[in-house]
Amino acid sequence: SQKIEQNSEALNIQEGKTATLTCNYTNYSPAYLQWYRQDPGRGPVFLLLIRENEKEKRKERLKVTFDTTLKQSLFHITASQPADSATYLCALGQKAAGNKLTFGGGTRVLVKP
Amino acid sequence: DAGITQSPRHKVTETGTPVTLRCHQTENHRYMYWYRQDPGHGLRLIHYSYGVKDTDKGEVSDGYSVSRSKTEDFLLTLESATSSQTSVYFCAISDEGRGYGYTFGSGTRLTVV
Repeated sequence: SQKIEQNSEALNIQEGKTATLTCNYTNYSPAYLQWYRQDPGRGPVFLLLIRENEKEKRKERLKVTFDTTLKQSLFHITASQPADSATYLCALGQKAAGNKLTFGGGTRVLVKP
Repeated sequence: DAGITQSPRHKVTETGTPVTLRCHQTENHRYMYWYRQDPGHGLRLIHYSYGVKDTDKGEVSDGYSVSRSKTEDFLLTLESATSSQTSVYFCAISDEGRGYGYTFGSGTRLTVV
């Protein structure tokens, strides 16, 4: 069966360090993968997209890698700040029509000052 | 969230009653989606639309119907609400020109008692 797995345990990290989150998938052939941030009581906010033929994408302090052989994406927050505390969701999009996304369960990040 | 609004924000309803949730966008985006978010399950796609009067089912569509008579409005109806439909419902829109990232609404918290 198709599955997208993110670490369900919260990631506690010290301010200034790099937070690394993992998204693993099975039985998918995604055309692209996206990362979202979600704060309590709010809808997810789109952060980054990486396509199947791309290895790495960066946006400010964020970096995403995509390894279709390992079926894994890593999401890095460098120089983390308390304001980065949130839940981060990965989502896979396939080549079928409709731009449908399938989401992982999310990983909560807590950055301590 | 700018360009997309959901109503109502909160609703409590009784088992067996019909409920309609509304998603309104001002972005003229072609694609609209309804997801539900539950602890332990993450975001799951209920229905989506790829144009006026063009809709299709997602992975958890049983007990739900949708309608899209105008580009800007996407309605989700629970024909006869059940306690298992207690959830937070998110609407999202996407514009392929933006690289497929979704813009989510703020969500509707629905409680079925």
